[in-house]
Amino acid sequence: AQSVTQPDARVTVSEGASLQLRCKYSYSGTPYLFWYVQYPRQGLQLLLKYYSGDPVVQGVNGFEAEFSKSNSSFHLRKASVHWSDSAVYFCVLSLDTNAYKVIFGKGTHLHVLP
Amino acid sequence: EAAVTQSPRSKVAVTGGKVTLSCHQTNNHDYMYWYRQDTGHGLRLIHYSYVADSTEKGDIPDGYKASRPSQENFSLILELASLSQTAVYFCASMENTEVFFGKGTRLTVV
Repeated sequence: AQSVTQPDARVTVSEGASLQLRCKYSYSGTPYLFWYVQYPRQGLQLLLKYYSGDPVVQGVNGFEAEFSKSNSSFHLRKASVHWSDSAVYFCVLSLDTNAYKVIFGKGTHLHVLP
Repeated sequence: EAAVTQSPRSKVAVTGGKVTLSCHQTNNHDYMYWYRQDTGHGLRLIHYSYVADSTEKGDIPDGYKASRPSQENFSLILELASLSQTAVYFCASMENTEVFFGKGTRLTVV
């Protein structure tokens, strides 16, 4: 069965520190992978997406993610976080063979200490 | 930029009452979804639709109905609201595997 696992429910880092949020997926076909961010009382906004090609994809606000087929992972990174990055981050998998199916991780709540 | 608009943004409903949540999208996407978000569960799919006048059950459809009267509009209906349906509800549309979300409706059933 297809799944997305975000092993860290909460991550706390200090402002200016580097960040990695982990995401592992399970899917035997071609994955389409996304990271979304949810600010308080807001909907989910797209940070970045991976379809194919270069495994490192750049997103908004200095975020990037690296796809690894061998590790079935799609980790999100940022070199230097800002307090405004505090939010919930969702890793999302879309399936190529079943267009309606979108699978969400449970989210990682990032808290940036000023 | 895809636009998905939900109304109302928040609502308080009484147990046993009927609730209708509305969603409107302006980019002519075929797929539309209703999700609910609860702490610790992420987003769970309630109903979805890929064409007007047709809806499909998602992963947690019990206690919910959906209606897609047109390409642009997709409603979620709680015929008999219950306390357990207190949650934040998100409407979304999809194009080419990318999902566009509304800002959510916070529903409190009392």
